[in-house]
Amino acid sequence: KQEVTQIPAALSVPEGENLVLNCSFTDSAIYNLQWFRQDPGKGLTSLLLIQSSQREQTSGRLNASLDKSSGRSTLYIAASQPGDSATYLCAGIEGDNQGGKLIFGQGTELSVKP
Amino acid sequence: DAGVIQSPRHEVTEMGQEVTLRCKPISGHNSLFWYRQTMMRGLELLIYFNNNVPIDDSGMPEDRFSAKMPNASFSTLKIQPSEPRDSAVYFCASRRPQGYGYTFGSGTRLTVV
Repeated sequence: KQEVTQIPAALSVPEGENLVLNCSFTDSAIYNLQWFRQDPGKGLTSLLLIQSSQREQTSGRLNASLDKSSGRSTLYIAASQPGDSATYLCAGIEGDNQGGKLIFGQGTELSVKP
Repeated sequence: DAGVIQSPRHEVTEMGQEVTLRCKPISGHNSLFWYRQTMMRGLELLIYFNNNVPIDDSGMPEDRFSAKMPNASFSTLKIQPSEPRDSAVYFCASRRPQGYGYTFGSGTRLTVV
């Protein structure tokens, strides 16, 4: 059974720091991996999708990598800002590209202090 | 593109009542997913459909839960009878085929008193 683990569970940093959020999964049969952001009381906003044939994706100050052989993904946030404060969720997509299910980690709660 | 649309946004009901949550996926997306989020258990997959056909309902907690997708543009999740432990945020998500990512709705916050 696929399990997704995120470390750390919570992180507090001063504004301007670069930081790394970690995600590991138990089954390398994961197809794609997607990172989401969730603000308190809100829905999930997709940040980055790394497809099976890719190793990383970048969007602005965010960079996500995927290493299937080691079962790990990282989300790198450069020059963090207070507006980055949220819970970050990684999720592995099982199955094939015709509609596999998304298995979530428990999330990393990030707080960026001004 | 209006995104994935869920209704209602909030629902407060009494124990024993029937609750129906609704979802309209993004046009052209052929997979639809229902998730439940609680503090204790995080995000759990309840059921998903491909091309309107239920594929995996192993996450549906009990027979009190049922889901339907009568056509490509509409799905319902029904709880009958509802119980206080069903209180959670229920999310619907949809996805295109061929390796694309998921898009989530804003969720329905259900409170059963």
